Amino acid sequence: AQRVTQPEKLLSVFKGAPVELKCNYSYSGSPELFWYVQYSRQRLQLLLRHISRESIKGFTADLNKGETSFHLKKPFAQEEDSAMYYCALSGYGANNLFFGTGTRLTVIP
Amino acid sequence: DTAVSQTPKYLVTQMGNDKSIKCEQNLGHDTMYWYKQDSKKFLKIMFSYNNKELIINETVPNRFSPKSPDKAHLNLHINSLELGDSAVYFCASSQQGGGGGGEQFFGPGTRLTVL
Repeated sequence: AQRVTQPEKLLSVFKGAPVELKCNYSYSGSPELFWYVQYSRQRLQLLLRHISRESIKGFTADLNKGETSFHLKKPFAQEEDSAMYYCALSGYGANNLFFGTGTRLTVIP
Repeated sequence: DTAVSQTPKYLVTQMGNDKSIKCEQNLGHDTMYWYKQDSKKFLKIMFSYNNKELIINETVPNRFSPKSPDKAHLNLHINSLELGDSAVYFCASSQQGGGGGGEQFFGPGTRLTVL
């Protein structure tokens, strides 16, 4: 069975400090991993996906199959990064996303 | 040009009532979903429809019945509402699978409060 774990419900960092949001997964096949973000009063939206290997708003995430992790990182946090972040997993070619419980990131000015 | 819209945005009702939430997407996507977000912000898939056909039903009580009149609409009807149904319900859509590299587009959510 698939499982996504985000161990931190709340994370606070100072502006300009590095930030890492942890995500570990459990899946028997080849997973697709995603990070979704929900800013205050906005809808949930895709931030990045592992197959794209892209950096969005300064965030990157590397899929580590050995550690079954997909941590989200940014070297210098900005106030506008404050939001709820969800790690999500899908089986390759599957239709549904399984979400972690989310981490609320607060960037302190 | 709202991509995925839901109505109503807020819904307050008494226990035992029947209510519906509507969802529409204008992205031309084939697949639509309903998610439930509980008070702890846990987001869980309820249903998935592809071209008007149900493809996922994640152990949701049969009081919840999705209806897809066409592939642009996926409505959620809830019978005999219970206190535990209070949550935010999100509709989403995607092209093809949504999981195989595809992105899911979410609606703004409907906050349901059962009194």
